Amino acid sequence: GAGVSQSPSNKVTEKGKDVELRCDPISGHTALYWYRQSLGQGLEFLIYFQGNSAPDKSGLPSDRFSAERTGGSVSTLTIQRTQQEDSAVYLCASSYHGQGNYGYTFGSGTRLTVV
Amino acid sequence: DAKTTQPPSMDCAEGRAANLPCNHSTISGNEYVYWYRQIHSQGPQYIIHGLKNNETNEMASLIITEDRKSSTLILPHATLRDTAVYYCIVRVATEGRGSTLGRLYFGRGTQLTVWP
Repeated sequence: GAGVSQSPSNKVTEKGKDVELRCDPISGHTALYWYRQSLGQGLEFLIYFQGNSAPDKSGLPSDRFSAERTGGSVSTLTIQRTQQEDSAVYLCASSYHGQGNYGYTFGSGTRLTVV
Repeated sequence: DAKTTQPPSMDCAEGRAANLPCNHSTISGNEYVYWYRQIHSQGPQYIIHGLKNNETNEMASLIITEDRKSSTLILPHATLRDTAVYYCIVRVATEGRGSTLGRLYFGRGTQLTVWP
């Protein structure tokens, strides 16, 4: 597609439930990133995938968070046993890391509300 | 941690130039300066980036000081739609073993408000 697509755009879930957030990056982009943004806060790095390399998971806040990227394209961010503090907008971005320096393209995010 | 310092907020009259400053006194030789903006309820949008030379594109101009310790993003004719949070970021230029290329630290940015 023309841009980074994220689904769902909004998700309300009950505390303790698991949720899956999906990201479709721009075709051909080799790198994929997940960030989250709590209300009124800046962007917090979560995880980074680059090609076939092992992902950089250093930003994941707890072991309840995990992410996969299948076939070097679509990525799923899973949050198990959701807590109210997980409420935030989860943003996905992709970029091409070849010659030169390319900016990230962000999706519109998934707004997660844990009640 | 963010390696940049920006004023928390700025105002600008519509049609005038908006000059947004950023300090990055600890920038390394292989780090570029990137600018993004985030309009309310949207994902951040790439604006421009540069290493040491001034850069211009259809959206903005980037002026980097000779010592590279600070830069200024210039929106030459601000419009109401330019109201957003503007983020100044430094990041490494190349990817390699142990690179932290993926870690863009956005900081708090500058809330630019363009008024009519």
